[in-house]
Amino acid sequence: GDSVTQMEGPVTLSEEAFLTINCTYTATGYPSLFWYVQYPGEGLQLLLKATKADDKGSNKGFEATYRKETTSFHLEKGSVQVSDSAVYFCAHDRGSTLGRLYFGRGTQLTVWP
Amino acid sequence: EAQVTQNPRYLITVTGKKLTVTCSQNMNHEYMSWYRQDPGLGLRQIYYSMNVEVTDKGDVPEGYKVSRKEKRNFPLILESPSPNQTSLYFCASSATGTDHYEQYFGPGTRLTVT
Repeated sequence: GDSVTQMEGPVTLSEEAFLTINCTYTATGYPSLFWYVQYPGEGLQLLLKATKADDKGSNKGFEATYRKETTSFHLEKGSVQVSDSAVYFCAHDRGSTLGRLYFGRGTQLTVWP
Repeated sequence: EAQVTQNPRYLITVTGKKLTVTCSQNMNHEYMSWYRQDPGLGLRQIYYSMNVEVTDKGDVPEGYKVSRKEKRNFPLILESPSPNQTSLYFCASSATGTDHYEQYFGPGTRLTVT
């Protein structure tokens, strides 16, 4: 069935380090892919998205490329900051426009100064 | 300001005492959903609604009820709460019919059932 598999956390990095959080998906349709971020004590908010193969989503220095051949959507950032500490969720919509999203389990990122 | 609001933000209750968590959105979204978030399990969908009077079960609906009598509101009802429903709950909404929608989340309700 449809699912999202994320890299297990927690991930702990020093400030200015390079970040990769792996995400792979299975979907029966042609899904759009999303990364959501949850800062401490808050709800989730959309970080970036890609709607078709080879699209690159980007926001706040984060990037992810929709790779259909490897069914992946890995999140990267070249230089993390303490303020990036949060939980990151990968998700897809199974190619539907009906609103439902399928989330991964989330990856906790902690960045130390 | 576009937003999803939930109330209460924190709730401690006892087993078997009925409770309702309210959710409201001001964006005229068709789709609304409830999730629970538990450590190590991520977000699991409880119920969702495609529009007024249209609701359906998500992945973990047992012990919960919902209603959608108005487009803006989507309350979550626990008729007889149990300790295994202690969790962090999120309401979310989105528009439908477009491939560029964004799902908006409320701030969360932390529920403890003793």
